Amino acid sequence: GAGVSQSPSNKVTEKGKDVELRCDPISGHTALYWYRQSLGQGLEFLIYFQGNSAPDKSGLPSDRFSAERTGGSVSTLTIQRTQQEDSAVYLCASSPRVRGGTEAFFGQGTRLTVV
Amino acid sequence: EDQVTQSPEALRLQEGESSSLNCSYTVSGLRGLFWYRQDPGKGPEFLFTLYSAGEEKEKERLKATLTKKESFLHITAPKPEDSATYLCAVWKGGGADGLTFGKGTHLIIQP
Repeated sequence: GAGVSQSPSNKVTEKGKDVELRCDPISGHTALYWYRQSLGQGLEFLIYFQGNSAPDKSGLPSDRFSAERTGGSVSTLTIQRTQQEDSAVYLCASSPRVRGGTEAFFGQGTRLTVV
Repeated sequence: EDQVTQSPEALRLQEGESSSLNCSYTVSGLRGLFWYRQDPGKGPEFLFTLYSAGEEKEKERLKATLTKKESFLHITAPKPEDSATYLCAVWKGGGADGLTFGKGTHLIIQP
C-alpha cells in the first residue's frame, strides 16, 4: 500500500479482555515503531523493530504488553487483560532507515477504548 | 530525564498573522529534532528534521530553526489550512531509537 495501514481503526473492549492491534508498514521499510497517545498527553514511545527484532522492550508500559513482527513486515501489538488506563490511540510508524534520525511515516492509529 | 516542552499549548491567530511556536528540550546527546503536524483523527505528518544548532529548514509558510536549547517553528502569513497540532520530538539515538515527543501546540488560524 501507499502508506502505513493500521487495523482496526477503532476497538472497544471489556476490561480484562485481550486485544490485538495490527500494523502493516510501507513496503521495504526496515524500521517499525509503536507509540501510544493518550488524551492530553504527548506521544509515548513503546517499542521499535529493526527487521524482526526488538532490541529494547523497556518502553512497554507493563508485562501485559507484547509486540512481534514477522517477515520484516506486519507487526502486532498485543495487550493482555486490558485495563481502563490502556485506553488511548495506538500509532504505528515505519521508516526506511535501520536507525532513527530520519522521517517516520505514521498510520492513522487504532483508537482503543476499554470499558 | 529527557524533557521536551512546547509552548504555547494553544494559539489562535488571524489569517496572515505571523507567529512562532517554541520547543525547548533538555536532552543529553541530541542527535536530531523533528517537527510533525497532526490533524484531528490522523497520525502525525513529518515536516522537518534538524540535526545541529544553527540549522534552518523551510517548507512553504513554515520555517524551523534550532539552537542548543530550543527550536522554533515560524509560521509566516498563515492560512486556515495551517490549523493543526504541531508536535516537536527529539531523537538521541542509542538502543531504544524512539522519539521523545512534546505535548504539542494546538494552532487555530481564523479566516
